[in-house]
Amino acid sequence: GDSVTQMEGPVTLSEEAFLTINCTYTATGYPSLFWYVQYPGEGLQLLLKATKADDKGSNKGFEATYRKETTSFHLEKGSVQVSDSAVYFCAINKGGGADGLTFGKGTHLIIQP
Amino acid sequence: DVKVTQSSRYLVKRTGEKVFLECVQDMDHENMFWYRQDPGLGLRLIYFSYDVKMKEKGDIPEGYSVSREKKERFSLILESASTNQTSMYLCASTSGTYEQYFGPGTRLTVT
Repeated sequence: GDSVTQMEGPVTLSEEAFLTINCTYTATGYPSLFWYVQYPGEGLQLLLKATKADDKGSNKGFEATYRKETTSFHLEKGSVQVSDSAVYFCAINKGGGADGLTFGKGTHLIIQP
Repeated sequence: DVKVTQSSRYLVKRTGEKVFLECVQDMDHENMFWYRQDPGLGLRLIYFSYDVKMKEKGDIPEGYSVSREKKERFSLILESASTNQTSMYLCASTSGTYEQYFGPGTRLTVT
C-alpha cells in the first residue's frame, strides 16, 4: 500500500540555519503531495502542496519540489526562526482527494535562539 | 475561513464506556475524516465519509464506528473504550480539492 517515509526527529537547529527535512513516498498512481505543520497544542495546518511532477510548493519561506523520478518531496527553508519550531508531516493523498491522506510519522523541529 | 470544531479538547473515560467524539465543519464540505495521532506513528486514518449516511473504513477501523446524519457533522464512536485507544483524535474535512482542514484535536485518555 501507499506509504510515506520522513526523517524522524527531533531535529535541533540554531536560528538562521538552513533546514532540510527529507520525505519519500511509495504510491500507486500519481498522488498529490503535502507538507502539514502542527504547532504545540494545535491541529494540523497545510503548509504547502504540489499536485504534479516538478511543481514547487512554497509558503512562509518553506519550499518543496515534487520529484517523480526519486519519489521525493523534501522540505527546505533557507533561514529558520524560533517560531518555526513545530512538528512537520509529509503526506500524500490516497486518490482523488476523497479517500484521506497517508502521513509520515512526523519530524519534530526545534529551533534554538 | 474554514472552521472545523471538535466537541472536546480533553476527555477522560473509563474502560468499557461508550465514547462519542463530535466534529462539525462550517464550509459545506462533502468529505470528512477521522484520524488518530500517536507519537512515533504519525496520523492514521480511522474512517471517512464522502456524503451523508455514507462511511468508508480507513486503515485502522477496528474498535471504532462513525455516524454522519448531517453534512456538517461527523461523529466517531468508541463502542467500548479500551486503554489502547488513548490517543489524540483529529477530525478533518475537504471539498475534494485535496487540501484537508483539521480541527484542534481531542486528547482522549482511557483509564
